[in-house]
Amino acid sequence: EADIYQTPRYLVIGTGKKITLECSQTMGHDKMYWYQQDPGMELHLIHYSYGVNSTEKGDLSSESTVSRIRTEHFPLTLESARPSHTSQYLCASSESLTSGTNTGELFFGEGSRLTVL
Amino acid sequence: KNQVEQSPQSLIILEGKNCTLQCNYTVSPFSNLRWYKQDTGRGPVSLTIMTFSENTKSNGRYTATLDADTKQSSLHITASQLSDSASYICVVSDRGSTLGRLYFGRGTQLTVWP
Repeated sequence: EADIYQTPRYLVIGTGKKITLECSQTMGHDKMYWYQQDPGMELHLIHYSYGVNSTEKGDLSSESTVSRIRTEHFPLTLESARPSHTSQYLCASSESLTSGTNTGELFFGEGSRLTVL
Repeated sequence: KNQVEQSPQSLIILEGKNCTLQCNYTVSPFSNLRWYKQDTGRGPVSLTIMTFSENTKSNGRYTATLDADTKQSSLHITASQLSDSASYICVVSDRGSTLGRLYFGRGTQLTVWP
């Protein structure tokens, strides 16, 4: 079972509020990711990190920001939430593909469902 | 354009029956193909990962096949149970970088009725 945790699981907030979605993993994985998923649609990568102090934007443009100060922690922040930000946000982690026999399996958290009114 | 297409979009079967879900991809160069199960409101959970040299892999009642020549994969579920009701997502990784970019399908929504 994956040891990756997201909080909150559900969040309903008003427009203009600042929110932070927390993601922590205890597997010591270097790589961490944030995906956005809408109903019936594929997951879209919005941010990823190769390690501490490394963050990159993903394929889908997002107004959110991330930080990676510690290996185990990868929070996502929205400075001013809007209804268009309503979505499911999934955090994931994986080992480095260069570390021998592993296949870079992706472990997901349970997700944070954000609703902006 | 690298894509992953899954069919059917949704499927309803009776408990105890078998079913097969399809995944076609155009991702190149190919690294591996993964099947995930995602329960409603939860994060995806890995079922199988197959590399180029593997053409079948089982995980309990789940059996995945891969034909790298035709770029097709299938996920066969045997003796379905109510708990199999979920979205099944096909994910293909390329070898374009050390990270390996992932391409996600939209999933097949499976409903198992008693």
